[in-house]
Amino acid sequence: GENVEQHPSTLSVQEGDSAVIKCTYSDSASNYFPWYKQELGKRPQLIIDIRSNVGEKKDQRIAVTLNKTAKHFSLHITETQPEDSAVYFCAASRQAGTALIFGKGTTLSVSS
Amino acid sequence: ETGVTQTPRHLVMGMTNKKSLKCEQHLGHNAMYWYKQSAKKPLELMFVYNFKEQTENNSVPSRFSPECPNSSHLFLHLHTLQPEDSALYLCASRYLAGEGNEQFFGPGTRLTVL
Repeated sequence: GENVEQHPSTLSVQEGDSAVIKCTYSDSASNYFPWYKQELGKRPQLIIDIRSNVGEKKDQRIAVTLNKTAKHFSLHITETQPEDSAVYFCAASRQAGTALIFGKGTTLSVSS
Repeated sequence: ETGVTQTPRHLVMGMTNKKSLKCEQHLGHNAMYWYKQSAKKPLELMFVYNFKEQTENNSVPSRFSPECPNSSHLFLHLHTLQPEDSALYLCASRYLAGEGNEQFFGPGTRLTVL
């Protein structure tokens, strides 16, 4: 089955800096790669996703890149703000019909 | 958010008790999942139901028993649990169509086993 590795487990940045979180996956048939943000005491929520036919996707300060050959994808947050502090999870799924398999999460702390 | 709801939100039970967790989705989705969230394994997939049929059981102990009576409801029946089963249990749902669709989570049930 699919296995998703995520690094780093913790990340501390200063407000305004950029943050990068990286994930690798094992199943070459995976074609959907979402990122979730979980704030303390709340449920995980989707912030951005990318499909296998796209190499990069941006949404304001957030971007995701995908390298299918190397089987890795990354989340980039620019101009970080304190409200970006949360746990971020990457995930992968093979196709519609299979559940998302998540990485172990990255705790991002943005200090002002 | 009311798309995916879970009850109860908090549950404390002894090792000999039997209890059930309930999940309901109001999004017209056709796949539902149970995840266990703990410090050791942050989002661990437990069970998968596609079109009400269980398609995956990720080596979950038999003291956890899922039930999916229809595409909107999912239960997790608990019996003779262990203290290490204390965790946040998250339900999620998704619409199976095309190449990947957003998976929505419920708020979770915080379970404590004494």
